[in-house]
Amino acid sequence: GAGVSQSPSNKVTEKGKDVELRCDPISGHTALYWYRQSLGQGLEFLIYFQGNSAPDKSGLPSDRFSAERTGGSVSTLTIQRTQQEDSAVYLCASSGWTSAEQYFGPGTRLTVT
Amino acid sequence: SQQGEEDPQALSIQEGENATMNCSYKTSINNLQWYRQNSGRGLVHLILIRSNEREKHSGRLRVTLDTSKKSSSLLITASRAADTASYFCATDPSGGSYIPTFGRGTSLIVHP
Repeated sequence: GAGVSQSPSNKVTEKGKDVELRCDPISGHTALYWYRQSLGQGLEFLIYFQGNSAPDKSGLPSDRFSAERTGGSVSTLTIQRTQQEDSAVYLCASSGWTSAEQYFGPGTRLTVT
Repeated sequence: SQQGEEDPQALSIQEGENATMNCSYKTSINNLQWYRQNSGRGLVHLILIRSNEREKHSGRLRVTLDTSKKSSSLLITASRAADTASYFCATDPSGGSYIPTFGRGTSLIVHP
């Protein structure tokens, strides 16, 4: 079946603008994760959704970042008033149950000018 | 600080040689996973080893886990140029957290 998809693949925005990044997980996967990866670095956890439970937002770096997951499927990560340090690749992953392998999307490369 | 730390940070070998990467972690885990990443994009899951397992094989990949030393190794045998990528370990902590922690990765270059 289809894998995890993300859109857009690339996004260039001006400092101060808001951006929305979208993730379509694998159908039936209950867990969804957002990560951020800066150039040459590891993955920084941002937020985790599991079924209908309240999301774990402990990794969000500031209140400019928010995410939602509608209907237990598609998720949107929103960054308000973007800053240059927000430039990174944003990766989404889903898994079928907790403590299992994650399936990653191709990522969205965000550049804030 | 990172839960999983890969070592070395970079590895350069010739095609046909074996490549060994190590991962150390700090807390108790349920399992440990290895992922591969090409060109800074999405990660691909390679292998998962559970805390009660000591060794696991998948094709040319061999993973070991030593929970007493809190370390794991990934061995790629008979490497190919196509194995050039970054390799990450991710630890799934025990104790109720379902958020795996990734290291900074090992960048592997295999020269043809």
